[in-house]
Amino acid sequence: GAGVSQSPSNKVTEKGKDVELRCDPISGHTALYWYRQRLGQGLEFLIYFQGNSAPDKSGLPSDRFSAERTGESVSTLTIQRTQQEDSAVYLCASSLRANTEAFFGQGTRLTVV
Amino acid sequence: AQSVTQPDIHITVSEGASLELRCNYSYGATPYLFWYVQSPGQGLQLLLKYFSGDTLVQGIKGFEAEFKRSQSSFNLRKPSVHWSDAAEYFCALDNYGQNFVFGPGTRLSVLP
Repeated sequence: GAGVSQSPSNKVTEKGKDVELRCDPISGHTALYWYRQRLGQGLEFLIYFQGNSAPDKSGLPSDRFSAERTGESVSTLTIQRTQQEDSAVYLCASSLRANTEAFFGQGTRLTVV
Repeated sequence: AQSVTQPDIHITVSEGASLELRCNYSYGATPYLFWYVQSPGQGLQLLLKYFSGDTLVQGIKGFEAEFKRSQSSFNLRKPSVHWSDAAEYFCALDNYGQNFVFGPGTRLSVLP
């Protein structure tokens, strides 16, 4: 079946602009995660959605970052007033439920110029 | 606090040689543990997982890992490395069902 799909795969934006990144999880997966991976670095947790529960936003680095999820489907990560330090690969993952393995998308490479 | 360490930033092995990548964790209960592999420009692919039961788990691509509670370790092994195994490897734990905590990664290079 289809895996986790992310779009766009690449995004170049000017400093100060807003960007929206999209994630389509695997159908039926109730849990969805966003991570950030800076060049040559590990994965930094951003936000976690589980079903209809309130999301865990504890990893969002600033109030410029926000995310939404419609039910148990598509999620969007929005970065307002982008800064150069926002340049990274943004990875989305989904899992069937909590405490099960996560499956990752290919990521969105964001470059802020 | 929950954490995962991978002591080796970069490892180089010859093709056909055996491989062991180290992973240590800090967690307040019996952890759910995972190994992922990331090829350049790609997302993460799950190699194997440990939830409970047999402490030696088998994964894809000929990889295996052994959970050792006494050493807080979950080392990844492969008896014979192929050139296509060159990639970044990440160890991770399930953080009480809330998210996943990842180690910093180990970059594997394979010499012909």
